[in-house]
Amino acid sequence: AQRVTQPEKLLSVFKGAPVELKCNYSYSGSPELFWYVQYSRQRLQLLLRHISRESIKGFTADLNKGETSFHLKKPFAQEEDSAMYYCALRAGGNTPLVFGKGTRLSVIA
Amino acid sequence: KAGVTQTPRYLIKTRGQQVTLSCSPISGHRSVSWYQQTPGQGLQFLFEYFSETQRNKGNFPGRFSGRQFSNSRSEMNVSTLELGDSALYLCASRIGGPTSNEQFFGPGTRLTVL
Repeated sequence: AQRVTQPEKLLSVFKGAPVELKCNYSYSGSPELFWYVQYSRQRLQLLLRHISRESIKGFTADLNKGETSFHLKKPFAQEEDSAMYYCALRAGGNTPLVFGKGTRLSVIA
Repeated sequence: KAGVTQTPRYLIKTRGQQVTLSCSPISGHRSVSWYQQTPGQGLQFLFEYFSETQRNKGNFPGRFSGRQFSNSRSEMNVSTLELGDSALYLCASRIGGPTSNEQFFGPGTRLTVL
């Protein structure tokens, strides 16, 4: 079975500091990895997917198959980045998303 | 395009009752998935419907059931409610094919069981 682990429940950083939200997964095949974000009082929305290899709101994430990780990074945190972040995995096209338990990012001014 | 909508937004029920939640997907999306979100467990997958058929099912008891209509709207039902069923229930839709991997989430229905 697939599993997604986000080791930190809460991550607090100062504004302007680098951010790294950790995500590790267990799956023997080639997964699709995603980062979803939930801002206060807003719905869950897609932030990044590994196949796009794009930067959204300054965030990037690289799939490391050797370490089975998909960490989310941003060089300079902003207050508006404060939110709940979920890493998710899909094993194949028609399989469900499996989510980690989430990390709450708090950016302190 | 209108986003995923869920009704009602809030529900309060008592133990033993049953409840039905509704989800309207984005127009053109044929896949609807349901998740239970709690502070302790995060998002847990309940089931997915595609073209009126249950395509995937999570590890929840049979008290949790769902269905999908021909217009892709979906309902989920929880019978014999327990206190532990209190949660935010999220619905998500996507186009549904094997390469349509982006899911769009609704605002959720917050269920409180007293």
